Amino acid sequence: AQKVTQAQTEISVVEKEDVTLDCVYETRDTTYYLFWYKQPPSGELVFLIRRNSFDEQNEISGRYSWNFQKSTSSFNFTITASQVVDSAVYFCALSGYSSNTGKLIFGQGTTLQVKP
Amino acid sequence: DSGVTQTPKHLITATGQRVTLRCSPRSGDLSVYWYQQSLDQGLQFLIQYYNGEERAKGNILERFSAQQFPDLHSELNLSSLELGDSALYFCASSAPGPPEKLFFGSGTQLSVL
Repeated sequence: AQKVTQAQTEISVVEKEDVTLDCVYETRDTTYYLFWYKQPPSGELVFLIRRNSFDEQNEISGRYSWNFQKSTSSFNFTITASQVVDSAVYFCALSGYSSNTGKLIFGQGTTLQVKP
Repeated sequence: DSGVTQTPKHLITATGQRVTLRCSPRSGDLSVYWYQQSLDQGLQFLIQYYNGEERAKGNILERFSAQQFPDLHSELNLSSLELGDSALYFCASSAPGPPEKLFFGSGTQLSVL
């Protein structure tokens, strides 16, 4: 069975602090994809990143960075110098290639509050 | 703007009623997914259609059904509604191929009173 765990339910930081959101996943697939989505207060789900299981290279996009470690089944997300606009619920998700459906299994989400 | 259109944005109805949620995928996307987001269950996959045919089924109740039409838009039908069906229902679409990123609509907020 596939499962995604985001152990941090809520995180509160002060603006300009760095913050890391944890994501641990379980899958029996050898090929799989991992995703992060952002859900701002307006409610829509915004795609942030997709990584496949063969690419363990860390990725940086502006203030966002992702650390994929297959050995620990983790795909953590770091926001550097957080801003109030980063306040949102962040979801980690998993898609198994063998299912050939593309459906995503989401974690429970981490609510990030960035205070000015 | 993701390119996925969901209507209506809000829906208020009573227990026992039936409602239909509509989704238009991004131009060219053949897959449509329905998800339910509730406080207690989180984001749950309901069902996927690919080019008109059901491709995968998740935790979808028997009171719920969906279909994808030849023009690729999809409808999610919820019947005999219960208070617990109150949730945000998302539609998403993706292009063919390996698990591509899903583009989500803005959701339909269903309130069952």
